[in-house]
Amino acid sequence: DTAVSQTPKYLVTQMGNDKSIKCEQNLGHDTMYWYKQDSKKFLKIMFSYNNKELIINETVPNRFSPKSPDKAHLNLHINSLELGDSAVYFCASSLGVTGELFFGEGSRLTVL
Amino acid sequence: GDSVTQMEGPVTLSEEAFLTINCTYTATGYPSLFWYVQYPGEGLQLLLKATKADDKGSNKGFEATYRKETTSFHLEKGSVQVSDSAVYFCALSDPLDSNYQLIWGAGTKLIIKP
Repeated sequence: DTAVSQTPKYLVTQMGNDKSIKCEQNLGHDTMYWYKQDSKKFLKIMFSYNNKELIINETVPNRFSPKSPDKAHLNLHINSLELGDSAVYFCASSLGVTGELFFGEGSRLTVL
Repeated sequence: GDSVTQMEGPVTLSEEAFLTINCTYTATGYPSLFWYVQYPGEGLQLLLKATKADDKGSNKGFEATYRKETTSFHLEKGSVQVSDSAVYFCALSDPLDSNYQLIWGAGTKLIIKP
């Protein structure tokens, strides 16, 4: 039973399209995150929600919009995709803000 | 601001060799320190942690000691296996950061050859 699950795992799309990535956790955690990992494995926090409230909103283009319908779900919608958006996007969750994160397997986005 | 610096990879070792991956940090407060591991094609997973000075975190044969005097948290393992090949990330969480946001190192790729 997967603890943090993301869908889709792979996403190939054209520039200018809009796409969404979904994330669900069944750990009972109250905090969820979106990270972007580039080709050099560098991790960048994008957003964090605690009890459905946005607590971290790093400098990312406003084409990226997170949505948390409930504590167990955090989705990421990306408008007008650009080549530079190609990366692996990881969802993660934690109980509080302890630093102990549980990650999903990642969603590899390729923009052509 | 806070930061984490890891040794640059890739680090290539033979099986059964001794491993050290260096990690140093700068922080305003007294942070908690973490090592995460990312196996190929997978998400990150917590390997070990330490929450105060002189604490030693350990898991799966890996160890790291929180050294406040040298602001370091080096990862060590006495005898590596091929299955340890992965990317290792050092990270800190500073209680003076209102969001307790994790600050990540750049990651160190470890390659173990049979």
